[in-house]
Amino acid sequence: GEDVEQSLFLSVREGDSSVINCTYTDSSSTYLYWYKQEPGAGLQLLTYIFSNMDMKQDQRLTVLLNKKDKHLSLRIADTQTGDSAIYFCAESIKGGSYIPTFGRGTSLIVHP
Amino acid sequence: DAGVTQSPTHLIKTRGQQVTLRCSPKSGHDTVSWYQQALGQGPQFIFQYYEEEERQRGNFPDRFSGHQFPNYSSELNVNALLLGDSALYLCASSFRQSAQPQHFGDGTRLSIL
Repeated sequence: GEDVEQSLFLSVREGDSSVINCTYTDSSSTYLYWYKQEPGAGLQLLTYIFSNMDMKQDQRLTVLLNKKDKHLSLRIADTQTGDSAIYFCAESIKGGSYIPTFGRGTSLIVHP
Repeated sequence: DAGVTQSPTHLIKTRGQQVTLRCSPKSGHDTVSWYQQALGQGPQFIFQYYEEEERQRGNFPDRFSGHQFPNYSSELNVNALLLGDSALYLCASSFRQSAQPQHFGDGTRLSIL
């Protein structure tokens, strides 16, 4: 079955890089996603990667995928206070009609 | 380009009552999924509608039901509300049940007293 795990909290200093990690269990995952949720808001899609890719970069965001270890990471360069939010990792598989399964989320706190 | 819109934003009900939440998908999308997000948890999938039919369902009792209209908008109905139904209910839309990422609305915060 599908199971996505994330660490619950991450605290970084403004200007540093943040790395949020995620592990998943289904080896047939098709897409892996990162969503951001700010207080009182819904989920905002940040980026996603096909499971046949190793890396994707989009401005300050870098996604790395280690298929052997079923490990996904999101690196945020030059982290700003506006990046403080909860970050969700999710996976979807073709056999599950591409319905994403979400982790519990990592709360990123950026302090001056 | 309108994104996913949900109404109402907040709702307070008492145990045993019934509630209806509404969702309009992003322009160009025809598939609507509903999720329940309890405090401190990730979204849990309730069901998905495509072509006005329920296509997939998560592990939720049949007190949770839905509907999709010809204009692709959708409703989530919950009967016999329990205290444990208090949560943020999120609607997400996509195109033709594909693997392309779903786009989420801001949710309806439901509180049960």
